[in-house]
Amino acid sequence: SQQGEEDPQALSIQEGENATMNCSYKTSINNLQWYRQNSGRGLVHLILIRSNEREKHSGRLRVTLDTSKKSSSLLITASRAADTASYFCATDSSTGTASKLTFGTGTRLQVTL
Amino acid sequence: SQTIHQWPATLVQPVGSPLSLECTVEGTSNPNLYWYRQAAGRGLQLLFYSVGIGQISSEVPQNLSASRPQDRQFILSSKKLLLSDSGFYLCAWSGGPMWTEAFFGQGTRLTVV
Repeated sequence: SQQGEEDPQALSIQEGENATMNCSYKTSINNLQWYRQNSGRGLVHLILIRSNEREKHSGRLRVTLDTSKKSSSLLITASRAADTASYFCATDSSTGTASKLTFGTGTRLQVTL
Repeated sequence: SQTIHQWPATLVQPVGSPLSLECTVEGTSNPNLYWYRQAAGRGLQLLFYSVGIGQISSEVPQNLSASRPQDRQFILSSKKLLLSDSGFYLCAWSGGPMWTEAFFGQGTRLTVV
């Protein structure tokens, strides 16, 4: 079953604008991660935020986490055409040796020139 | 450095035929290994994961099975494919419990006809 639900499902912006994607989840987590997927390819890890963190930055990426609301957001600033891809949040709720990520449904981002 | 190989990239198989998808990881030992399936335009569904040789956990009942004959080899199989088995299959590995990130293969596009 899907743990995370991204919002919006699709987002179209112009180059230079900021893109914000949201993720909601259902259970307690150890950390939350964001991944990027180019069409027809594997996923690439972007950033991880731990459950005791509230905000994290990496280059043009900014992630926030609100564990009380069970939600996270990914902000991509000054977007570029090359940012066009699908973005997924993934939650790690693992205990013991059974480590696994549960992915959301993704946001398809289109950045136009 | 660590790399993950997944093949084939595309596969067209008739209904009722067997399936074998292979994934191998290089540059690390005792990884956690995962098989995910992604339906068109959807998120990823965890199918199987393995924390060690011969240890397979299934997440959803289905027509597929997985095996881990060697430390860095993970195989997804089916004795008789169904139309509903069509999809994009992704193999991934991580460093273990409370992992920091997952590394994905490039995926196999399976079409059952």
